[in-house]
Amino acid sequence: QKEVEQNSGPLSVPEGAIASLNCTYSDRGSQSFFWYRQYSGKSPELIMSIYSNGDKEDGRFTAQLNKASQYVSLLIRDSQPSDSATYLCAGGDSGGYQKVTFGTGTKLQVIP
Amino acid sequence: SAVISQKPSRDICQRGTSLTIQCQVDSQVTMMFWYRQQPGQSLTLIATANQGSEATYESGFVIDKFPISRPNLTFSTLTVSNMSPEDSSIYLCSVEATSGDTQYFGPGTRLTVL
Repeated sequence: QKEVEQNSGPLSVPEGAIASLNCTYSDRGSQSFFWYRQYSGKSPELIMSIYSNGDKEDGRFTAQLNKASQYVSLLIRDSQPSDSATYLCAGGDSGGYQKVTFGTGTKLQVIP
Repeated sequence: SAVISQKPSRDICQRGTSLTIQCQVDSQVTMMFWYRQQPGQSLTLIATANQGSEATYESGFVIDKFPISRPNLTFSTLTVSNMSPEDSSIYLCSVEATSGDTQYFGPGTRLTVL
């Protein structure tokens, strides 16, 4: 069974610091990886997708993928209180969205 | 980006009854999905709603319990049948963007079964 593992947290960081969120996956066949942000009581929102080994940057967010280690991470620079949310990691078989497996999420708290 | 609406946004239902959740998208989409998110847990895919054919269910989910309709490319319904308290959850529909590079989620339906 495919699994995506995340530390549930909460992860607390001070405002302005770098938040580092980590995720491991069990299926070596996974080709696509996604980070979603979910505010309490709201639906998930895609913030990053990554398909190749290495880093992908988008504004304050950097996704990192290491397929050899089956490891995905998300770095949030200059963390803001508005970044406080649960971050879901997800892995898929291909570039499409069928059979995407979600992790349980890491709750991030940014302390002003 | 696709705008997705769901009805109802929340409901409290009695054991043994059924609830139909509607999902409406503001543009035609090929792929629509139904997820469940139980309290404190992640999203679990229930089924893929196929237009013009029967839905494709994931392991552990059956049509008798979660019948799905997809009459056109902008609309789908999920029915939770013969509900029990274990069905209390948030139910979300989602669509794949035409670019294939992202997935949009609806606002969700929060269901409580007493």
